[in-house]
Amino acid sequence: QKEVEQNSGPLSVPEGAIASLNCTYSDRVSQSFFWYRQYSGKSPELIMSIYSNGDKEDGRFTAQLNKASQYVSLLIRDSQPSDSATYLCAVAPYNQGGKLIFGQGTELSVKP
Amino acid sequence: KAGVTQTPRYLIKTRGQQVTLSCSPISGHRSVSWYQQTPGQGLQFLFEYFSETQRNKGNFPGRFSGRQFSNSRSEMNVSTLELGDSALYLCASSQAPSVYEQFFGPGTRLTVL
Repeated sequence: QKEVEQNSGPLSVPEGAIASLNCTYSDRVSQSFFWYRQYSGKSPELIMSIYSNGDKEDGRFTAQLNKASQYVSLLIRDSQPSDSATYLCAVAPYNQGGKLIFGQGTELSVKP
Repeated sequence: KAGVTQTPRYLIKTRGQQVTLSCSPISGHRSVSWYQQTPGQGLQFLFEYFSETQRNKGNFPGRFSGRQFSNSRSEMNVSTLELGDSALYLCASSQAPSVYEQFFGPGTRLTVL
């Protein structure tokens, strides 16, 4: 079992729809969770961090965390073609300093 | 505030050579982490530096090494390059090791021929 697993993409949604990206992790004691967006040929850009169970909203983005189920998700409302990118889920293992473990990423395509 | 900078942006080397990559963190950030990104393996953690000390190391051979200077700038070195070392090398900075939000630089694209 991989430490961090994401939906295998690509995920295609029409413009204006809600895109739902999912991630599961294996280390039950992980405390910090992140979503990065990576455009083709660019470096990852941090878009959301979440540390507590529940929802965290930032503009069109909502991160959801369920530690009991070891599950974290990212919802993108009113998806735009500019949201087309690869979304990477990252988990900070407990007591391992600045190490982040990344999933393989989900490629999102928003069709006009 | 200026972001993380990495130099060089592109590098072409041949097998057996060595390479040094440089990273300057965001002003005020003292922790620097390095990652390797390849299509097959994705983003993998190499090592992390804070206060000029390596605090954590990923599962890479000893050919991969790094250091951090007193101004928080960091370098990583890869010796005896192999074809499989071709990758995007990313540096990320954070305020401190206990602050997990990391911000990535543009990366150095290394090609080994």
